[in-house]
Formats: sequence, C-alpha cells, structure tokens
Amino acid sequence: QSVLTQPPSVSGAPGQRVTISCTGSSSNIGAGYDVHWYQQLPGTAPKLLIYGNNNRPSGVPDRFSGSKSGTSASLAITGLQAEDEADYYCQSYDSSLTGSVFGGGTKLTVL
Amino acid sequence: EVQLLESGGGLVQPGGSLRLSCAASGFTFSNFAMSWVRQAPGKGLEWVSDISGSGGSAHYADSVKGRFTISRDNSKNTLSLQMNSLRVDDTAVYYCAKDRGFSPLYGMDVWGQGTTVTVSS
Repeated sequence: QSVLTQPPSVSGAPGQRVTISCTGSSSNIGAGYDVHWYQQLPGTAPKLLIYGNNNRPSGVPDRFSGSKSGTSASLAITGLQAEDEADYYCQSYDSSLTGSVFGGGTKLTVL
Repeated sequence: EVQLLESGGGLVQPGGSLRLSCAASGFTFSNFAMSWVRQAPGKGLEWVSDISGSGGSAHYADSVKGRFTISRDNSKNTLSLQMNSLRVDDTAVYYCAKDRGFSPLYGMDVWGQGTTVTVSS
C-alpha cells in the first residue's frame, strides 16, 4: 500500500489527452511538499518528467504538464503518442516518515 | 556528461551483506543530495535512503532502517549503500539518483542504470 495513491492503469488513443492522479495526505502533498513525476519505459531507469509540481526539465515535450491542489496532484499528457506508453510515478516528501514517498505507479497504454 | 554508474550488486544469501557503490561524474557531487531507490521484480519504485550534499543528514525507509547505511565520499564522488541482514524481500534493482538540490526535496533528475541485488538461498 503506497503512501501516494495512483490509478493502476489508464489508456487513451493516439492524439487524445489523459490524466493521472496522485492522492496523498496532510503529511506530504497537503503539507506543501512538491510533487515530482517520473516516466519509466520498459527495461529502463526512471526519467524525471515534471519537478516542483509543474516544471518540465529541458528536453521534455510541453505535451506533459503537472498540477497540484490540496492533497492531490495530476499529470496530464496531451496529443498522446505511442512512445508515451510507459509506467508513470509521482513522488513527494512525507514529514511523518521523514523521507521520500512514491506512488504505486500507473501504466499508460496507448490504444 | 552527467552520469551515475552503480556497482556491487549480486547474489547473496539471506542474512548476508552487500555494499553498493555509485560513481558520479559530470557535476559537482558535493552540491547535491543523493538517493537510493529500488524496484522489486514487477513492482513499483520504492525510496530506500537519501543523504544531503554534505553527508550530514541521512534518512531511511522503515523497511531498511537499522540494516542499511548510506554514505558518501565527496572527495571521490562516490555514493555507497551498506546492506546488512539482507532479506528475501530486499531483492530488487537498486538505482542511485541525484537530486536537483542540496536537500532531497527537489526531484531526482539523474538516475543510474541500476544494479541487481538477489537475496536467495
């Protein structure tokens, strides 16, 4: 049971928009700690996709965006492409656990 | 080029020990917090431990507290994870990751390729 809750899977057709939610609590996201998102392609290491709730590292397409409100955060992907098929993880800091926490991960399938 | 290269994984019996290393290059190592993150076969990411840029502050997941010790040598640009009293459920790919800041709060922007630890009799 992960501290941050994500849907196990989402899917969408090419060109569509999908969102992935990440629900936390008052000791992590709700306490004001930033949320970060990672993309993990099959057989590879995770890659930072969004940092600080809504910032994209250099090289990440603007099709990816993040938002945060209250105890939750979301990752949105517009103009879905086949290459976006991957696992996505949210991450934040938890003051009760005094450490980082990850969501359980969401598998994105491009139909 | 910014790079992290892990080593030290392998097969170990339950109750045994292993030391993982992560060699960093391409950035000022002492300016950034570092973390270990693991991924059990077919499972999601699990944060294991982190250490501040100076090495003065370290944190551990409850699942490894008292068994694992994180350390860093800023003169050698190396991060380490000493793993003792290993259990079968410690079996995973272990990644070292660089944080964007001096403290481990800003997102992990560089990841190694991972090293596999298998705990089995």
